[in-house]
Amino acid sequence: ETGVTQSPTHLIKTRGQQVTLRCSSQSGHNTVSWYQQALGQGPQFIFQYYREEENGRGNFPPRFSGLQFPNYSSELNVNALELDDSALYLCASSLGTVGANTGELFFGEGSRLTVL
Amino acid sequence: KQEVTQIPAALSVPEGENLVLNCSFTDSAIYNLQWFRQDPGKGLTSLLLIQSSQREQTSGRLNASLDKSSGRSTLYIAASQPGDSATYLCAFRGTGFQKLVFGTGTRLLVSP
Repeated sequence: ETGVTQSPTHLIKTRGQQVTLRCSSQSGHNTVSWYQQALGQGPQFIFQYYREEENGRGNFPPRFSGLQFPNYSSELNVNALELDDSALYLCASSLGTVGANTGELFFGEGSRLTVL
Repeated sequence: KQEVTQIPAALSVPEGENLVLNCSFTDSAIYNLQWFRQDPGKGLTSLLLIQSSQREQTSGRLNASLDKSSGRSTLYIAASQPGDSATYLCAFRGTGFQKLVFGTGTRLLVSP
């Protein structure tokens, strides 16, 4: 069974640029969620995708957007990067139903984004 | 707004000690609670998941309990080892949309 994989593991961008982070969900999981973890803090929920539709969003601006593909892999896109976007971005997969995560979440190793 | 608090923020113990990490939450409408381990700069490893209908879950030297009435969960680690050194996070999932709400974690150091 393949776990959650994320790419890239590290990247450096400058303010104003755009970034795309990728996530492959665990085999059999149809729900992907993204979290942002600033240094020394707990992860904060960005949004969740279930069967290619966004079905929940946290308190993040519209420049944070995402996609889920038919194979349930996902992308997180951030436009107009700001210094405060520097963080560890975590992807999690689970088996969900309409509007709900029903089970355990499994996380990837994360993508460390540094904005200069 | 759901808040999750973890106490203590940091803990340093000698190898072999039994220890308890605490997690409290403000919303009683809980769906489940999940405990994670995070090594520095790494992702989250799921340790235990407790459904709202359960009182506790055990895995090896780990035991997690849930008390919905008091809004608390504890993670008990028996016979701690240096390899247990990491940050431990608890995450609450409510009965609404069911995103995870995390505490800020307890940073554990077990010395040989």
